[in-house]
Amino acid sequence: NAGVTQTPKFQVLKTGQSMTLQCAQDMNHEYMSWYRQDPGMGLRLIHYSVGAGITDQGEVPNGYNVSRSTTEDFPLRLLSAAPSQTSVYFCASSPWGRYNEQFFGPGTRLTVL
Amino acid sequence: AQSVTQPDIHITVSEGASLELRCNYSYGATPYLFWYVQSPGQGLQLLLKYFSGDTLVQGIKGFEAEFKRSQSSFNLRKPSVHWSDAAEYFCAVGGPNAGGTSYGKLTFGQGTILTVHP
Repeated sequence: NAGVTQTPKFQVLKTGQSMTLQCAQDMNHEYMSWYRQDPGMGLRLIHYSVGAGITDQGEVPNGYNVSRSTTEDFPLRLLSAAPSQTSVYFCASSPWGRYNEQFFGPGTRLTVL
Repeated sequence: AQSVTQPDIHITVSEGASLELRCNYSYGATPYLFWYVQSPGQGLQLLLKYFSGDTLVQGIKGFEAEFKRSQSSFNLRKPSVHWSDAAEYFCAVGGPNAGGTSYGKLTFGQGTILTVHP
């Protein structure tokens, strides 16, 4: 199993550009989530999904959209990037009934100029 | 609302010395508690977890943590630190939501950076 994979590893955007961060898992996990990590702030939950077709907001959802059309994929979309969205983004997944036992991807480092 | 405080931003220890990283949490019910480790440029790896039962839990890489409900703490310990333990450590709390279904809403502390001197 590849586990949780994220692409790209690094990305530089200009203010106002849009992009999608990809996340995929091959463990058939129902629960998937996106976090952002900023220095001194730990990880903060952006959006999460408890299964295909079901998503909900986390702690810091503004400026981000998600959808979950398959169990495997959970992309994160930035519609109009802002410098405040410069961060490291982590995707995580966990199996049914063990939603707190999250497996993390390697992260995407995003810089918005 | 749930929250986690890691009072120490940066800790430095000598190789072979003992280690204790502090974690205090706030949660309205019995919490699920976790410690994760993050090496530079890497994702997070689960070290250990507490759900219920024995309050002293063992994890990978020789780490252990003790849940103390009266102190709302879940401190991480290791008796002898190795140079490879240098990393950032995160404590996290989660648990069932108001409806009783665990939706995995983990709240993380700010992290503690561990430096190990040879």
